[in-house]
Amino acid sequence: KAGVTQTPRYLIKTRGQQVTLSCSPISGHRSVSWYQQTPGQGLQFLFEYFSETQRNKGNFPGRFSGRQFSNSRSEMNVSTLELGDSALYLCASRMAANTGELFFGEGSRLTVL
Amino acid sequence: AQSVTQLGSHVSVSEGALVLLRCNYSSSVPPYLFWYVQYPNQGLQLLLKYTTGATLVKGINGFEAEFKKSETSFHLTKPSAHMSDAAEYFCAVTPGRNNNDMRFGAGTRLTVKP
Repeated sequence: KAGVTQTPRYLIKTRGQQVTLSCSPISGHRSVSWYQQTPGQGLQFLFEYFSETQRNKGNFPGRFSGRQFSNSRSEMNVSTLELGDSALYLCASRMAANTGELFFGEGSRLTVL
Repeated sequence: AQSVTQLGSHVSVSEGALVLLRCNYSSSVPPYLFWYVQYPNQGLQLLLKYTTGATLVKGINGFEAEFKKSETSFHLTKPSAHMSDAAEYFCAVTPGRNNNDMRFGAGTRLTVKP
């Protein structure tokens, strides 16, 4: 059974640009969550999607957005990038929202110059 | 809201020595507790979890943790460290079964010396 797949694994952007990250969950998993990991703030919850609907949202500005497609694949977008957005963005999937073990992908490492 | 505190951002042990990584939690409802491991440039992998029932939980790679309600702790142990255990370890808590609000600790980086 394939794991959670995140693309791209590494990317470099400049301030002011926007970025889109993709996450394909484990087959059969309908919930996808996104986390930001930085050395200073640790792991912070961004949002969770289930059945194409955002079910829960962390405390991030509106520049951070996401969506989920009918096949459960998810994308997150960050607009008007800032230096502080440099981080490892982790996607995690599970069978259903609100319950069950989270399975993490390897992450997308974003560097903002 | 629930939270976890991991005591010690860095722990160094010798190969073959006991590994003890400390985690204390705060939760207003009976918690579910988790330990995850992260190897360099990889995502998080679940080591073990406590939900209900037996308070001593065994996980993968020889790790175990004990839920102690009176001490609000969920420390991770392994009797004998191996070089391959070097990684970052995260403790996490959710408010019971409704774990759409998983809170992670700051992490503990484990170094294993030969």
